Amino acid sequence: DGGITQSPKYLFRKEGQNVTLSCEQNLNHDAMYWYRQDPGQGLRLIYYSQIVNDFQKGDIAEGYSVSREKKESFPLTVTSAQKNPTAFYLCASRDPGTVKNNEQFFGPGTRLTVL
Amino acid sequence: AQSVTQLGSHVSVSEGALVLLRCNYSSSVPPYLFWYVQYPNQGLQLLLKYTSAATLVKGINGFEAEFKKSETSFHLTKPSAHMSDAAEYFCAVKGTYKYIFGTGTRLKVLA
Repeated sequence: DGGITQSPKYLFRKEGQNVTLSCEQNLNHDAMYWYRQDPGQGLRLIYYSQIVNDFQKGDIAEGYSVSREKKESFPLTVTSAQKNPTAFYLCASRDPGTVKNNEQFFGPGTRLTVL
Repeated sequence: AQSVTQLGSHVSVSEGALVLLRCNYSSSVPPYLFWYVQYPNQGLQLLLKYTSAATLVKGINGFEAEFKKSETSFHLTKPSAHMSDAAEYFCAVKGTYKYIFGTGTRLKVLA
């Protein structure tokens, strides 16, 4: 089955530690995205990547970093510089080569709690 | 720049009643619009999308939405609510490279 996997489902970290969230897709999509979700605020874009070895800051990139070394993978690192990292993180992908099928596909999410 | 506004952060309906979730958009170009559903602690699932082919769009689980350019609206409806429809619903518009999401509407279905 094609899809997006995120691991782990739940993640606990101590304040001041960096943590990396995994996102893998086997949909052969070029574009990948990271969102942060907080109650009542909808989804806010952290980073996005249109193609391998290229990525762009989204609306709330401060305190986060990403890499895109492989088409299938787009890991997100939450650094100690992120002031309030506790949130639900969603990864998504899309095939930008098709205008008709232009929706995003989402992973199941990772809930990060910083203690 | 595109934007999306969802009116009503919480909506309650009785089982079997009409569901109406409101979404208004702002876009300087013909928009691509989407409705997603999210169950607790899960990712988003596409319900339906508008891509200019037809103004009345039918989606999964009996939902549909009508694109009204004159009202800049894309409201989501379902004739008869089911308990399993209880979830959070997001409207979104596609920008050049990014997608802009509304703040969501949590639907509660009363027995």
